Amino acid sequence: SQQGEEDPQALSIQEGENATMNCSYKTSINNLQWYRQNSGRGLVHLILIRSNEREKHSGRLRVTLDTSKKSSSLLITASRAADTASYFCATDDRYRDDKIIFGKGTRLHILP
Amino acid sequence: DSGVTQTPKHLITATGQRVTLRCSPRSGDLSVYWYQQSLDQGLQFLIQYYNGEERAKGNILERFSAQQFPDLHSELNLSSLELGDSALYFCASSARPGSTDTQYFGPGTRLTVL
Repeated sequence: SQQGEEDPQALSIQEGENATMNCSYKTSINNLQWYRQNSGRGLVHLILIRSNEREKHSGRLRVTLDTSKKSSSLLITASRAADTASYFCATDDRYRDDKIIFGKGTRLHILP
Repeated sequence: DSGVTQTPKHLITATGQRVTLRCSPRSGDLSVYWYQQSLDQGLQFLIQYYNGEERAKGNILERFSAQQFPDLHSELNLSSLELGDSALYFCASSARPGSTDTQYFGPGTRLTVL
């Protein structure tokens, strides 16, 4: 069964706007990661947030984690055409951290 | 370039056939993961190896098998292929097997079963 579920499934915004994607998961986790995938390519790691962290930044990326709600959000500020991609959250299982489960992803399209 | 290589890039075969996908992890990485990505199922974790030993198993069918060799490269064998096995197959590697380690993905093998 899917551990992480991204929302929305697809998102189109104008270049320069901010994009927010959400991820919900089911079990207790040690950490949550976000990955990006350009069409047909391999996934690229963006950021990892641990279960005892609430917010993390990396360049134009801001990730939040709410373990009480079992949810995370990824915010991309000042979006660019190159941000067009699918974004996946990946979670582990707190009691078995060697198994990572990916969600189905959010397809982000940046309009010129 | 992630440093993970996968061969072949594309594979077209017929139902009932058997194929082998190959993965070479990043230099120094001991852990290898296999994933299947299809349009309707998303990215499905299949299996993980660490230093030659199976570490974790996901939604891997009995028709599929994998191994990691002493030189740390890995092969995924798919047999009795069905139309539904058509998908992108990704290999990823990490230094250690834990979930805090970043996984580096290869470019994938696109399998088409006709």
